[in-house]
Amino acid sequence: GNSVTQMEGPVTLSEEAFLTINCTYTATGYPSLFWYVQYPGEGLQLLLKATKADDKGSNKGFEATYRKETTSFHLEKGSVQVSDSAVYFCALNHNTNAGKSTFGDGTTLTVKP
Amino acid sequence: GAVVSQHPSRVICKSGTSVKIECRSLDFQATTMFWYRQFPKQSLMLMATSNEGSKATYEQGVEKDKFLINHASLTLSTLTVTSAHPEDSSFYICSARDRGQRGYTFGSGTRLTVV
Repeated sequence: GNSVTQMEGPVTLSEEAFLTINCTYTATGYPSLFWYVQYPGEGLQLLLKATKADDKGSNKGFEATYRKETTSFHLEKGSVQVSDSAVYFCALNHNTNAGKSTFGDGTTLTVKP
Repeated sequence: GAVVSQHPSRVICKSGTSVKIECRSLDFQATTMFWYRQFPKQSLMLMATSNEGSKATYEQGVEKDKFLINHASLTLSTLTVTSAHPEDSSFYICSARDRGQRGYTFGSGTRLTVV
């Protein structure tokens, strides 16, 4: 079956530090890959996505590249801000089936001023 | 872009009562809606898949008589937690797919606290 493994947290960084949150997946075929962000007390928001190998998703300074050879979709940001403090979820789904999303366990990021 | 409106955002109820959570797709038709729950500091777990006009498909271990799902129209799906108990306290969230988009739009979630 499908699975998503995320880097364990929590992650604590100083403002303007470089961020990497690792994500690897196991899936058959060619899933679409996503990063979602959940701010305290809120629901999930789509941060970025990639639908095929070598695609790069980007949004709000965050980037992730779909690497089929390493089955990875690591999230990066060059300079984090306090407002980036949130829980980040890596996820995949197949549009060809019912489209159920499989989520990683989430990584809590805290950025200190 | 596609928006899913979920209500209520927070609800506190007494043990034994029922709570209804609504998810509406705005500006698009959601033939399929997914319902997830999220326990504190854990990831989202799929509870059921709701299809418009037919019975929901529940994941293994989810009690269908306790978590009633209705998807009577292309824009509305409801989850009713019946005879709620404190262990049902959780964050419930729905998602739906706009046919013209890849990926899924999530509602803002409902934090249920059963006292």
